[in-house]
Amino acid sequence: DVKVTQSSRYLVKRTGEKVFLECVQDMDHENMFWYRQDPGLGLRLIYFSYDVKMKEKGDIPEGYSVSREKKERFSLILESASTNQTSMYLCASSLYVTSMTGSGANVLTFGAGSRLTVL
Amino acid sequence: GENVEQHPSTLSVQEGDSAVIKCTYSDSASNYFPWYKQELGKGPQLIIDIRSNVGEKKDQRIAVTLNKTAKHFSLHITETQPEDSAVYFCAASRFYKLIFGSGTRLLVRP
Repeated sequence: DVKVTQSSRYLVKRTGEKVFLECVQDMDHENMFWYRQDPGLGLRLIYFSYDVKMKEKGDIPEGYSVSREKKERFSLILESASTNQTSMYLCASSLYVTSMTGSGANVLTFGAGSRLTVL
Repeated sequence: GENVEQHPSTLSVQEGDSAVIKCTYSDSASNYFPWYKQELGKGPQLIIDIRSNVGEKKDQRIAVTLNKTAKHFSLHITETQPEDSAVYFCAASRFYKLIFGSGTRLLVRP
């Protein structure tokens, strides 16, 4: 069964600490994503990567950075955690599928999530 | 900017009834519309999707319809069962970026 594994399900950190969230996928997918999930706001894209060492900002990149040194691993970094970064963080990887008509579909597979609490 | 509006935010139905969740998107260039189901303690899982060149798609008890002119798409679940209880997210995308709706919490009462 294909998988996206997030190393920590629950973390509690203090304001100002540096936080690393790790994500590994075993599907040989080119693309990887970090989303943040908050009640009433859905899933918001923080960063994504379409290749090793490549990254693109999503909709809410402020306060976050990412690292992709290997194809299977995508890390989210909070340089100095703040209380407003308390949230559920979801990692995903994707296969971009192109149909015979040329239209594309970015089919995401998500991990189980990492719930971060910043005190 | 691009956004996807999803309604209702909560939906409670009796087992066996139908459930409908509706989404509206703003980016007319969006061409792929997936629906994800998130059960408690798990990440979202793709349940059905539709591309812009198709108006309707069905998979057993679930179906999705797309109205490109109105920029609306909907999820229909028939003969609901307690295991359908979950949070459902719609999304719209063009290329790599998916924009998600805010989610609908569906409760199926036995």
